[in-house]
Amino acid sequence: DVKVTQSSRYLVKRTGEKVFLECVQDMDHENMFWYRQDPGLGLRLIYFSYDVKMKEKGDIPEGYSVSREKKERFSLILESASTNQTSMYLCASSPEDSGSGANVLTFGAGSRLTVL
Amino acid sequence: GQNIDQPTEMTATEGAIVQINCTYQTSGFNGLFWYQQHAGEAPTFLSYNVLDGLEEKGRFSSFLSRSKGYSYLLLKELQMKDSASYLCAVMDSNYQLIWGAGTKLIIKP
Repeated sequence: DVKVTQSSRYLVKRTGEKVFLECVQDMDHENMFWYRQDPGLGLRLIYFSYDVKMKEKGDIPEGYSVSREKKERFSLILESASTNQTSMYLCASSPEDSGSGANVLTFGAGSRLTVL
Repeated sequence: GQNIDQPTEMTATEGAIVQINCTYQTSGFNGLFWYQQHAGEAPTFLSYNVLDGLEEKGRFSSFLSRSKGYSYLLLKELQMKDSASYLCAVMDSNYQLIWGAGTKLIIKP
């Protein structure tokens, strides 16, 4: 069963701490994404990557960075966590864009981060 | 700005039919997706529409009207396991996904 695995389902951190959220996919997908999901809002894209060592800012990159050293792994880093980063973080992957637009995302189960 | 609207919550009865609407205003259009998300779980892909009309897939169907900026997801013969949030997303002219806030569907016996 193909999947996207997020290593931490629940994390509690303190303001100012550095936080690493890890995501691994076993589908050999080129594209990987980090979203945050907050009540009453649509998914918001933080960063994405189309290839190893490549990254692009999404809609809300401030306060976040990412790392993609290997094709299967995409990490989200909060250099100094703040309370407004309390959220559900979803990682997703998709195959190389076929140009048809029908690029289906496979999501991980999410990492719920609480910053105190 | 770009906007996706869908109802926040809907309630339906087991065995019945429910229609979840999604209206959108985006910069260009390259397709519309529906995803299902059970509480505490990953969103999973349900359907993709890029041309006008109805796409049927078992108990689930999705309809698109590009001229009206409108889609709906139709769920027939509702089962308790259909209780979930349903997310509508539109791919804009830059092939970026714009997401609605999701519709929480509650199924009652």
